[in-house]
This record gives sequence, C-alpha cells and structure tokens, in this order.
Amino acid sequence: AQSVTQLGSHVSVSEGALVLLRCNYSSSVPPYLFWYVQYPNQGLQLLLKYTSAATLVKGINGFEAEFKKSETSFHLTKPSAHMSDAAEYFCALMNTGFQKLVFGTGTRLLVSP
Amino acid sequence: DTAVSQTPKYLVTQMGNDKSIKCEQNLGHDTMYWYKQDSKKFLKIMFSYNNKELIINETVPNRFSPKSPDKAHLNLHINSLELGDSAVYFCASSQEGRVADTQYFGPGTRLTVL
Repeated sequence: AQSVTQLGSHVSVSEGALVLLRCNYSSSVPPYLFWYVQYPNQGLQLLLKYTSAATLVKGINGFEAEFKKSETSFHLTKPSAHMSDAAEYFCALMNTGFQKLVFGTGTRLLVSP
Repeated sequence: DTAVSQTPKYLVTQMGNDKSIKCEQNLGHDTMYWYKQDSKKFLKIMFSYNNKELIINETVPNRFSPKSPDKAHLNLHINSLELGDSAVYFCASSQEGRVADTQYFGPGTRLTVL
C-alpha cells in the first residue's frame, strides 16, 4: 500500500532562513509526487509536482523539491522564508493507473519576524 | 472568476439531518473529486467522477451519495448525519483525470454536526 510520511507536524523558521519540509513516501511503483499549500481557511494550491522528468522540480513562490529514489524522499525547500509562506503544506503521491491523491498528514510552517 | 466553487462555506446542523454540498467548476475539466479533511487536517479522497461517471468510490458510508448532473457540477448529499461527519469537505477538479493531472481545489465546506 502506498503512503506518505511528513516528518514534523510543525516547523518554525525565522524570516529569511532556509525552509526545509520533509516528505518520505512508500510505494510499490515509482509514484508521481506533489506538494500542495493550504493557507488559512482556503483550499489547496499546487506548489509543484514530480512526474518522472527532472528530479529537481521548481515550483511557485520560490519553492523547489528534489526526488530521491534511493531515499524515497521528496523534501520541499525554499532558500529564504517570507512571512507570507506561513501555511500548511501537504505532500501527496499518485500512482500510475490511479487518479487519487494520497496525502501526508501535513506540516504547519510558522515564520517569525 | 472562481475556478472551483463550493456552497455553502459553513454548514451547521443537527445529528440525523440530511444535507447537501454543491460544487461547480468553470475550468472545463472532465473529472471532479470530493475529499474529506478531518480535525487533524488529514485529507482523504472520497469520490471521483469523470464525465458524470463514478470512477473512484473509497470506503465511504453509503449515507454519502455524490451526484453529477453534468461534468461541471458534483454535489455531495449526506443522509442521517453523524457527529463523525464533522469535517471540511473539499471539491476538486482536473483536466481529464489522467495520472499527474493537476487537481484544482475549491475553498472547502466546513460541516459541523451537533
């Protein structure tokens, strides 16, 4: 069965610091991987997705993620945090042949001045 | 223009009642979904429709019945509401429902069952 694990339900950084949100997956076949962001009281917005092309994926708002098959990881990074990055971040996978997203439990990013 | 819209945004009701949540997308997509987000923020798919045809039906109680009158709408009807149904329900849509198609989410409907 496929699953997604996000390490750390909360991550706190200072404005300007590196953001690193961790995501590990379990899947019997190479999956497609996604990062979504959810701002308070809003729906989810796609940040980026890995679809087996380049392993380093660049997304919106300066975020990027690297697919590492050997580590079964897809960690999300941003070089410099902004206050506006404070939100809930979800990692998700989708297997070939299926159309459903399987989500991790989310990581809340807190950004302090 | 809102791409994926849901009504109502908030829904408070008593146990045992029947309620509906409506979803509409103006993106011209063929596939629509319902997800449930529980109090711990965990998101799980409930249903998926492609061109009005049910293609994913997760292990959801049969008190939940999706209805798709056309490919731009996917409504969720819930019978005999229970306390455990309290959650945020998200509608989403994607172009053709192909693997890795981006899913666009609505703003959510927060359902509270008293």
